[in-house]
Amino acid sequence: EPEVTQTPSHQVTQMGQEVILRCVPISNHLYFYWYRQILGQKVEFLVSFYNNEISEKSEIFDDQFSVERPDGSNFTLKIRSTKLEDSAMYFCASSERGSGTQYFGPGTRLTVL
Amino acid sequence: QKEVEQDPGPLSVPEGAIVSLNCTYSNSAFQYFMWYRQYSRKGPELLMYTYSSGNKEDGRFTAQVDKSSKYISLFIRDSQPSDSATYLCAMDSNAGGTSYGKLTFGQGTILTVHP
Repeated sequence: EPEVTQTPSHQVTQMGQEVILRCVPISNHLYFYWYRQILGQKVEFLVSFYNNEISEKSEIFDDQFSVERPDGSNFTLKIRSTKLEDSAMYFCASSERGSGTQYFGPGTRLTVL
Repeated sequence: QKEVEQDPGPLSVPEGAIVSLNCTYSNSAFQYFMWYRQYSRKGPELLMYTYSSGNKEDGRFTAQVDKSSKYISLFIRDSQPSDSATYLCAMDSNAGGTSYGKLTFGQGTILTVHP
């Protein structure tokens, strides 16, 4: 069964450093998303991406964040200058259509020291 | 008022019990309703998906949506220890006939099914 994959599973970084989180969505899906979940809190929407551009982004997704689909299979989330409060699980998701079912990857746990 | 409210539990039931999980919401634009299961430190796994009001059944799971009350439910019949997880409700709107899939999640309910 096709699935969303994410790498790395755990990333530790120093405050102020740049990180890139990687995702490989399900191959025939056209819509891609990033969510985050701070420990003990809700899963929160960050950004949606379709047709090589951002469709919608939340207030969390400020200028420190960017997304890219550098090739036909990868989808990345970059955080330019990490802050302590960026420590969270980051989930990538993809869907065939813009509305409806989204399939999530296993997540990348980001720890900012 | 929070957009989506879900009792975090924890909920503990004996094996074989019927489990009822619920969410309420305030945004009347929500049209798509999902239930996800999340094991500790893992990604949400899609369980059920419902569009608009009504019921949907899949094996031991039944999802209900009552848009008039802004209330959704997930029932698990014959619960098993392997059902122990956090259950998340999630919702999406269909603004103007198109939706880019911004899911709004509930807090999640922690369920333990003990043998």
